[in-house]
Amino acid sequence: GENVEQHPSTLSVQEGDSAVIKCTYSDSASNYFPWYKQELGKRPQLIIDIRSNVGEKKDQRIAVTLNKTAKHFSLHITETQPEDSAVYFCAASLGLGGNQFYFGTGTSLTVIP
Amino acid sequence: GAVVSQHPSRVICKSGTSVKIECRSLDFQATTMFWYRQFPKKSLMLMATSNEGSKATYEQGVEKDKFLINHASLTLSTLTVTSAHPEDSSFYICSAPGGNTEAFFGQGTRLTVV
Repeated sequence: GENVEQHPSTLSVQEGDSAVIKCTYSDSASNYFPWYKQELGKRPQLIIDIRSNVGEKKDQRIAVTLNKTAKHFSLHITETQPEDSAVYFCAASLGLGGNQFYFGTGTSLTVIP
Repeated sequence: GAVVSQHPSRVICKSGTSVKIECRSLDFQATTMFWYRQFPKKSLMLMATSNEGSKATYEQGVEKDKFLINHASLTLSTLTVTSAHPEDSSFYICSAPGGNTEAFFGQGTRLTVV
């Protein structure tokens, strides 16, 4: 099955700086890669996603890049704010309706005011 | 967006008892739902895929007799933790696929076995 690795496990940045989280996946058939933000005890919230026919996608301060050849994708948060502090998970799936997600191990991001 | 409701949000039970967790899709039909388990400060681990009208598909290492899944209708899947033990204490969360690729998550259930 799919194996998703995520680094780093913890990340602290100063407010206003950028944060980068990286993931790798093993199944070349995976073609949908969402990123989720999860606050303690709450459900994951989708923040951005990318499909394998796209190399980069941006939404305001958040961007995701995908290198399908190398099987890795990254989340970039610019101009970080304290409210960005949370745990972030990457995931991979086959991208078809009904397919399960395989999650990375998570990154606990702390933005220091 | 679509809403997935999970109940209960918290449950405390005694060792040896069984606990049922419900996952409902409120405004759409879900022939498939997924159950995840999350340990504190850890990732979501896929436990099983719940299929309406057929048996659930379990991930490797997940005991199907321990974690009973029933997908009784197009809007309801249940996870029953049987003969619960303290090591079963965890955060359990369901999701249902919506549209083309997105997943909609329930609120999660914090299970504590004492």
